Amino acid sequence: QLQLQESGPGLVKPSETLSLTCTVSGGSISSSSYYWGWIRQPPGKGLEWIGSIYYSGSTYYNPSLKSRVTISVDTSKNQFSLKLSSVTAADTAVYYCARHVMVVAAISSWFDPWGQGTLVTVSS
Amino acid sequence: SSELTQDPAVSVALGQTVRITCQGDSLRSYYASWYQQKPGQAPVLVIYGKNNRPSGIPDRFSGSSSGNTASLTITGAQAEDEADYYCNSRDSSGNHLEVVFGGGTKLTVL
Repeated sequence: QLQLQESGPGLVKPSETLSLTCTVSGGSISSSSYYWGWIRQPPGKGLEWIGSIYYSGSTYYNPSLKSRVTISVDTSKNQFSLKLSSVTAADTAVYYCARHVMVVAAISSWFDPWGQGTLVTVSS
Repeated sequence: SSELTQDPAVSVALGQTVRITCQGDSLRSYYASWYQQKPGQAPVLVIYGKNNRPSGIPDRFSGSSSGNTASLTITGAQAEDEADYYCNSRDSSGNHLEVVFGGGTKLTVL
């Protein structure tokens, strides 16, 4: 059974860089069928897609966050990571990682399963 | 990027049928996927593709699409279905490789 687990600091200072890692277990991150994504949810608000990465390193980002986001993959550790620079209080959210099923030529995509999420608070 | 619009809140009587809708231009090109989120928990996929349910999702959940609107229908709503529901699809603007989420619908089972 595929499982994902987010890890990283729960508190980040304004203007610094938020860094999180997602560890995948029960399956290989190098599977050719899947992307791997990050999604966040500010307290009391809805879901926002941050970006997704293929095991080869190809990335796709939310245009509204693209200038501050870097997603990378480490296939040797079965992990992928998120870096979000120049954070502000508006970046306070629960950050989720998830397997992103997206066949480029297909007309659907979905996220399944999801990690449990980790709360990151931006505060001095 | 495209937007997906959902009603903020919907209610249904126990055992009745409820439809939760999601509107957006990208839905003319792509199917929506649907997620259930209960308080303090991660979202769970309930519908994907044309109308597919992951293993373990009850068959009272179904999906459909027409024009720019996707719908999640719960036939015979149960108390445990009370949750927030989010739609998601690929974005038909830009390079079509980005994705977008709806704002979510809070379902209350009366």
